[in-house]
Amino acid sequence: DVKVTQSSRYLVKRTGEKVFLECVQDMDHENMFWYRQDPGLGLRLIYFSYDVKMKEKGDIPEGYSVSREKKERFSLILESASTNQTSMYLCASSPLRAGNTIYFGEGSWLTVV
Amino acid sequence: AQTVTQSQPEMSVQEAETVTLSCTYDTSESDYYLFWYKQPPSRQMILVIRQEAYKQQNATENRFSVNFQKAAKSFSLKISDSQLGDAAMYFCAYRSTTTSGTYKYIFGTGTRLKVLA
Repeated sequence: DVKVTQSSRYLVKRTGEKVFLECVQDMDHENMFWYRQDPGLGLRLIYFSYDVKMKEKGDIPEGYSVSREKKERFSLILESASTNQTSMYLCASSPLRAGNTIYFGEGSWLTVV
Repeated sequence: AQTVTQSQPEMSVQEAETVTLSCTYDTSESDYYLFWYKQPPSRQMILVIRQEAYKQQNATENRFSVNFQKAAKSFSLKISDSQLGDAAMYFCAYRSTTTSGTYKYIFGTGTRLKVLA
């Protein structure tokens, strides 16, 4: 089974803190994604990566950055956390082959106070 | 830009009955994939069903089937013999090809399904 692991399920951070959300997948997938989930807004793509050190902006990249130094690991960084970044963050991965599905981690609940 | 629209924020169905969740999308691509994902209270996203656009035949997985209308850009999910365990948030998703030649997945806003005993 594909396993996408997000290191933290629940985090509480203060405004202005630098926050790291870590994600690891064990299936050698080329693509990795970070989404944000908010009620009524569904899943919105923040950033994605199709190879080591390669990244592309999604629909809502402002206030976020990412890092992919190894194929299996994709980190989401909030340089200076703000209260409007309180949300559920979902990491996902997929292989590059056409048609394959996207596999999700269990999510990280981030509260910024 | 591709978009995915789910116009029903919430639906209810009686146990053992049938319910249909709606999804429309907008794209200029001719070949693509569509998905339905289920998110139960545990928040773990689970693939329900997948449809390849070039296939005319509607996908089916046990009690779950789709009605794929390519010309109308419609992709609805039918759940037959609804069970209490089907209660969840359902997301429709579209796999889009990016300018770099890779893929990204665009999701709708979701439909919360309640199953009444």
